[in-house]
Amino acid sequence: AQSVTQLDSHVSVSEGTPVLLRCNYSSSYSPSLFWYVQHPNKGLQLLLKYTSAATLVKGINGFEAEFKKSETSFHLTKPSAHMSDAAEYFCVVTGRRALTFGSGTRLQVQP
Amino acid sequence: DTGVSQDPRHKITKRGQNVTFRCDPISEHNRLYWYRQTLGQGPEFLTYFQNEAQLEKSRLLSDRFSAERPKGSFSTLEIQRTEQGDSAMYLCASSLAAGGTGLNEQFFGPGTRLTVL
Repeated sequence: AQSVTQLDSHVSVSEGTPVLLRCNYSSSYSPSLFWYVQHPNKGLQLLLKYTSAATLVKGINGFEAEFKKSETSFHLTKPSAHMSDAAEYFCVVTGRRALTFGSGTRLQVQP
Repeated sequence: DTGVSQDPRHKITKRGQNVTFRCDPISEHNRLYWYRQTLGQGPEFLTYFQNEAQLEKSRLLSDRFSAERPKGSFSTLEIQRTEQGDSAMYLCASSLAAGGTGLNEQFFGPGTRLTVL
């Protein structure tokens, strides 16, 4: 079985400051991990994915995430937040066939 | 636009009525998934198809729910005798089956928001 815990339901940052969204996972086998973003009234969009290649994964819009097996973590970071980053972010772990989503972190970006 | 499409985008119905949603996946994708997302939560897996075969169903999929993918292309999700607890966003996703037990990226549609009064 697999599960995902997003440690913060809500994160607020100022524009231009770093973003850190935390995610811990549990999986009974080597997982693939994803971060998806959901803007209001829009579909889920893949930000980045880890599939057992490099542990530091770069995604779209300047986001990146580091897979740390020893800590079972896959935190999402961005050096400098932009207003357009305000959205809901989901950490996702693969099951045998379907995806298991975390409960989401709402990122608010203050001007 | 060659992405995943869903119809309708919004559905309001009275308790006890039946509703049907449609999903058109990306044309070359052979896997199709249904998820349900309630307010403040992440999407939860309901069921998935590989071509026309329904290979897995979640325990969330009660007897009132049925999904089909008759020709391995579009899919429908029907909810019979709707209840207020069925109010949610219903998401469809598609992907290519990867070799072995790999899982390719899933592409999501915009969802159908169901409100049961």
